[in-house]
Amino acid sequence: QKEVEQNSGPLSVPEGAIASLNCTYSDRGSQSFFWYRQYSGKSPELIMSIYSNGDKEDGRFTAQLNKASQYVSLLIRDSQPSDSATYLCAVKAGYALNFGKGTSLLVTP
Amino acid sequence: KAGVTQTPRYLIKTRGQQVTLSCSPISGHRSVSWYQQTPGQGLQFLFEYFSETQRNKGNFPGRFSGRQFSNSRSEMNVSTLELGDSALYLCASSLAATTNEKLFFGSGTQLSVL
Repeated sequence: QKEVEQNSGPLSVPEGAIASLNCTYSDRGSQSFFWYRQYSGKSPELIMSIYSNGDKEDGRFTAQLNKASQYVSLLIRDSQPSDSATYLCAVKAGYALNFGKGTSLLVTP
Repeated sequence: KAGVTQTPRYLIKTRGQQVTLSCSPISGHRSVSWYQQTPGQGLQFLFEYFSETQRNKGNFPGRFSGRQFSNSRSEMNVSTLELGDSALYLCASSLAATTNEKLFFGSGTQLSVL
């Protein structure tokens, strides 16, 4: 079973702070890594993809990948209350895309 | 540009019945994937269709099936419903040539089996 592990949270951060979301995966053959955001009662929305080791920045979001440690993270800078959602880590190996169960993020004003 | 459209939004069925869910992908997207989401198991991949052919499938029983039409619209069918089939069923479309890359999800169909 290819596993993707995330802390379920909730992770609570004050408005304006940096939120750090972490994900580990078990399949060393994984090639593609994604972060999806899911608001309560809504469907997942892709916010970041990363394919090689290192950092990838997009606006307030930075994805970090370390394949040796089998670790993916998402940093959200200047967190806003509108960032409050569940963040799903998804890891692809071959054609299979395995999702973590998500980390709930709460940004408090 | 219209997003992924799923119908119906809600369904209530009883055990033993069958159900068909519909999905219209984003215009130009030829890949359609189906996922099941439950609180306990999270998001799990059911299958993916590309150009009317099932290209990949997850680890679900044969009661779960699907098809894709020439206009890329897709349907998913679940036969002989069980209580454990109660879930949110999400359809996702993609422009990518390979399975499960950069998915755009629909709003889902919430299925309740009584």
